[in-house]
Amino acid sequence: GAGVSQSPSNKVTEKGKDVELRCDPISGHTALYWYRQRLGQGLEFLIYFQGNSAPDKSGLPSDRFSAERTGESVSTLTIQRTQQEDSAVYLCASSLARADEQFFGPGTRLTVL
Amino acid sequence: AQSVTQPDIHITVSEGASLELRCNYSYGATPYLFWYVQSPGQGLQLLLKYFSGDTLVQGIKGFEAEFKRSQSSFNLRKPSVHWSDAAEYFCAVPDSNYQLIWGAGTKLIIKP
Repeated sequence: GAGVSQSPSNKVTEKGKDVELRCDPISGHTALYWYRQRLGQGLEFLIYFQGNSAPDKSGLPSDRFSAERTGESVSTLTIQRTQQEDSAVYLCASSLARADEQFFGPGTRLTVL
Repeated sequence: AQSVTQPDIHITVSEGASLELRCNYSYGATPYLFWYVQSPGQGLQLLLKYFSGDTLVQGIKGFEAEFKRSQSSFNLRKPSVHWSDAAEYFCAVPDSNYQLIWGAGTKLIIKP
């Protein structure tokens, strides 16, 4: 694949429902990041995966948020019992190694009604 | 803790005019430094990066940035902006765990 892909591109859900967002990183990239970007704001780090090491979950805002990654492939970000303040664009990025250039996906726009 | 400051939330310049976007960081060692651009409806794209060596870095789309250790700055410049440069620009610096710390962004508005 040419770049990082994310699905769905848009997701509208009702408050209290669970959602799952998917990220396909660039093949061979060992590092994968999830960010949240609220309207008109900068990037908020959520979670970081590096190869088979334990992920850095220090940015997850609550225990309703979780993410998984199998090896160096696809990652899913799950938000349980969504709240209206979860509405944002969720961005995924991958890089060859940490501190290297990050390549971003187009994002998933999540709207919680 | 490391931090990145982009003091200008919005900047408006006329098409053809020169541009400078400011970025200041706090970091103990010589940092890596990045500038990214987020165009409307598009994803984030790397403009340029500084790792070491020449402190004046050339990037894509005619942008350049200069690392000034004495001022803890990494300002982005372009001699003549085009309407297509209207976008949001983010400066980023890795922390001690190599996680990027992002500035809040500067929105560039181009006047015709």
